[in-house]
Amino acid sequence: AQSVTQPDIHITVSEGASLELRCNYSYGATPYLFWYVQSPGQGLQLLLKYFSGDTLVQGIKGFEAEFKRSQSSFNLRKPSVHWSDAAEYFCAVGPIDNTDKLIFGTGTRLQVFP
Amino acid sequence: DTAVSQTPKYLVTQMGNDKSIKCEQNLGHDTMYWYKQDSKKFLKIMFSYNNKELIINETVPNRFSPKSPDKAHLNLHINSLELGDSAVYFCASSDRQANQPQHFGDGTRLSIL
Repeated sequence: AQSVTQPDIHITVSEGASLELRCNYSYGATPYLFWYVQSPGQGLQLLLKYFSGDTLVQGIKGFEAEFKRSQSSFNLRKPSVHWSDAAEYFCAVGPIDNTDKLIFGTGTRLQVFP
Repeated sequence: DTAVSQTPKYLVTQMGNDKSIKCEQNLGHDTMYWYKQDSKKFLKIMFSYNNKELIINETVPNRFSPKSPDKAHLNLHINSLELGDSAVYFCASSDRQANQPQHFGDGTRLSIL
């Protein structure tokens, strides 16, 4: 069955430090993969997506993610975190059951210390 | 110029009441969705409409009834509200034909007293 796992529930980093948020998936074929960010009281904003092609994907706000088929992973990275990056981050995979349904991970809460 | 807008942002009501949440998108997308996010932030799809036709209907109590009067609107009506319905409900839209990702609204926080 398709699934998404975000192993880290909560991560704390210092401002300016590098960041990597982990995402592992289970999917029968090549998936579409997404990272969304949710700031408090806000909806989900798309950071980046992978459909095909180059496995290193650049997104908004200086984020990037790398699709590694051999590891079934799509980890999100940022070289230098800013205090405004504090938010909840969700990894998602699709399509599911030949629909455009997405399965979301349980999220990783990022806290940034000055 | 909000892309996906939901109203109301907050909804506090008593058990047993009937309430509606409205969603509108101005992106010209052909597909709209309703998601439920529980207290643990777990996000799960409830419904999806493509060109006003229901295409995804997850295992949701039939107290929940989506209505899509046109491509730009997808409303969610909930009858006989229960305590377990307390959650944040997100509307989203996408251009399915163009295989584009989903754009989300800011959510409606529903609290049942």
